[in-house]
Amino acid sequence: KNEVEQSPQNLTAQEGEFITINCSYSVGISALHWLQQHPGGGIVSLFMLSSGKKKHGRLIATINIQEKHSSLHITASHPRDSAVYICAVRSDVIQGAQKLVFGQGTRLTINP
Amino acid sequence: NAGVMQNPRHLVRRRGQEARLRCSPMKGHSHVYWYRQLPEEGLKFMVYLQKENIIDESGMPKERFSAEFPKEGPSILRIQQVVRGDSAAYFCASSPAERGGYTFGSGTRLTVV
Repeated sequence: KNEVEQSPQNLTAQEGEFITINCSYSVGISALHWLQQHPGGGIVSLFMLSSGKKKHGRLIATINIQEKHSSLHITASHPRDSAVYICAVRSDVIQGAQKLVFGQGTRLTINP
Repeated sequence: NAGVMQNPRHLVRRRGQEARLRCSPMKGHSHVYWYRQLPEEGLKFMVYLQKENIIDESGMPKERFSAEFPKEGPSILRIQQVVRGDSAAYFCASSPAERGGYTFGSGTRLTVV
């Protein structure tokens, strides 16, 4: 079982829909990152969370430390939001605490 | 304030050649991380370096791969005698401290022919 699990793996929605991507992890963490990657593109860091909730524009990220779960929400989705969204954790337990351990990513497609 | 700079963006090497990938961290960042993304796979940790020190290389293949982060200049990921299976995107990230935020570079896409 992977230490970081994301769901769904693929998500297709219509423009304007509210999007939720989930991330569950099995180890104690010091921080959780949400990343965005466009096809053939680089990686953009969207959020780094250790507790609570953060908001940036139409993006909202939440984390529940007790339940070892985080969600990324996109409100009023737009075709330009189409990308792969990756959850990554920095663990105090996994050997080499400074490295990130990644989920497999969620491929999001927003149709106009 | 330039971000993390990686070069080249694309690199083509024949089997058996050497590949050298460069990463200049953000100004003020002293921690560098290398990650590899194989085709259709997720990102995997390779190595974590601070200036002149390898801190964690638990994700590095035992042979042909090496990394350095000298006192002056960029961090280098070196792959000797490349094979087709080394074809991947290699991403570098930097942070200002162990618990600092990460900034990723645009990656180097290595193709071995």
